Amino acid sequence: EPEVTQTPSHQVTQMGQEVILRCVPISNHLYFYWYRQILGQKVEFLVSFYNNEISEKSEIFDDQFSVERPDGSNFTLKIRSTKLEDSAMYFCASRPDQTYEQYFGPGTRLTVT
Amino acid sequence: QKEVEQDPGPLSVPEGAIVSLNCTYSNSAFQYFMWYRQYSRKGPELLMYTYSSGNKEDGRFTAQVDKSSKYISLFIRDSQPSDSATYLCAISSLGRLYFGRGTQLTVWP
Repeated sequence: EPEVTQTPSHQVTQMGQEVILRCVPISNHLYFYWYRQILGQKVEFLVSFYNNEISEKSEIFDDQFSVERPDGSNFTLKIRSTKLEDSAMYFCASRPDQTYEQYFGPGTRLTVT
Repeated sequence: QKEVEQDPGPLSVPEGAIVSLNCTYSNSAFQYFMWYRQYSRKGPELLMYTYSSGNKEDGRFTAQVDKSSKYISLFIRDSQPSDSATYLCAISSLGRLYFGRGTQLTVWP
């Protein structure tokens, strides 16, 4: 069964450094998402992406964040200058065109020290 | 913003029990309702998806939606220790998902 994959599974970085989190969505899906989950809190929406552009973003997704689909398979989230409060699990999700259920990857645990 | 409310539990039941998990939501524009299962430090796994009021059954799982009350439920019949996880409700209009806090369920043998 096709699934969303994410790399790395765990990333440790120092405050102020740039990180890139990578995702490979399910191959025939057209809509892509990033969410994050701070330990013990709700899963929160960050951004959605369709047709090579951002379709919606939350108030969390400020200028420090960017997304890109550099080729036909990868979908990336970049955080330019990480802060301690960016420490969280980051989940990529994708969905097909005709329905609205979203399929999530296993997540990347980002630790900012 | 408290778009989706879910009792975090924890909920502890014996094997074989019927489990009822619930969420309420505030925005009547929400049209799509999902239940996810999440194991510790893993990604949410889609269990059920529905977009209409009423019941939808899949094996031991039944999802129920009452749009007039803005209330959704997930029932698990004949619960098993392997059902022990956190269950998240997620609700959407056309794009982003709004998640509940998740209910932590333990099924003991």
